[in-house]
Amino acid sequence: DIQMTQSPSSLSASVGDRVTITCRASQGIGSDLGWYQQKPGKAPKRLIYGASTLQSGVPSRFSGSGSGTEFTLTISSLQPEDFATYYCLQHNSYPRTFGQGTKVEIK
Amino acid sequence: QVQLVQSGPEVKKPGASVKVSCKASGYIFSTHGISWVRQAPGQGLEWMGWISAYNGHTDYAQKFQGRVTMTTDTSTSTAYMELRTLSSDDTAVYYCSRVGSWGVDYWGQGTLVTVSS
Repeated sequence: DIQMTQSPSSLSASVGDRVTITCRASQGIGSDLGWYQQKPGKAPKRLIYGASTLQSGVPSRFSGSGSGTEFTLTISSLQPEDFATYYCLQHNSYPRTFGQGTKVEIK
Repeated sequence: QVQLVQSGPEVKKPGASVKVSCKASGYIFSTHGISWVRQAPGQGLEWMGWISAYNGHTDYAQKFQGRVTMTTDTSTSTAYMELRTLSSDDTAVYYCSRVGSWGVDYWGQGTLVTVSS
């Protein structure tokens, strides 16, 4: 199975900060990675697919990069509505696997 | 617009089975797969498996092999996930999600399954 190691597990940041979250795959997955945002009590929502393509309707302050084994989600200027938990998900091989999640909290 | 609407919350006793439904609309059901993901209280997301709505092919996570069955009814655009021999460890929110060429895109609202004696 491909292991997805996501870091950090949590972070505290202020509105306007630049935030970076990383996922590392235990083996190469090309660009078969998505990033998801989940708010408490809600279903996840996809932000990025293909490692770097912004989902329609998602603000441009979100961006994704990387390929192979290392991937990054960046929020260029954190907004109040961005406080949530973020997950990566690889869809290169079965079983699909998620990162452990990164909880972004208000400083 | 794509919508996945799941069945309501369930309370089950240990050893019982649960069957969760997921009704799709807003797209041609047979052109996408359906994945099932669960989330235990306060925990992360766990992929359980997926089913092709085109031909019924399934792939289950090893952890659930032998205990889960995923099916679809193309006549009603509905997917089902049945989990058997429930224990308290299966208490979680269960999500269905649509699978496309670029992975999981749309999600259902989730179904809380509580296992308690």
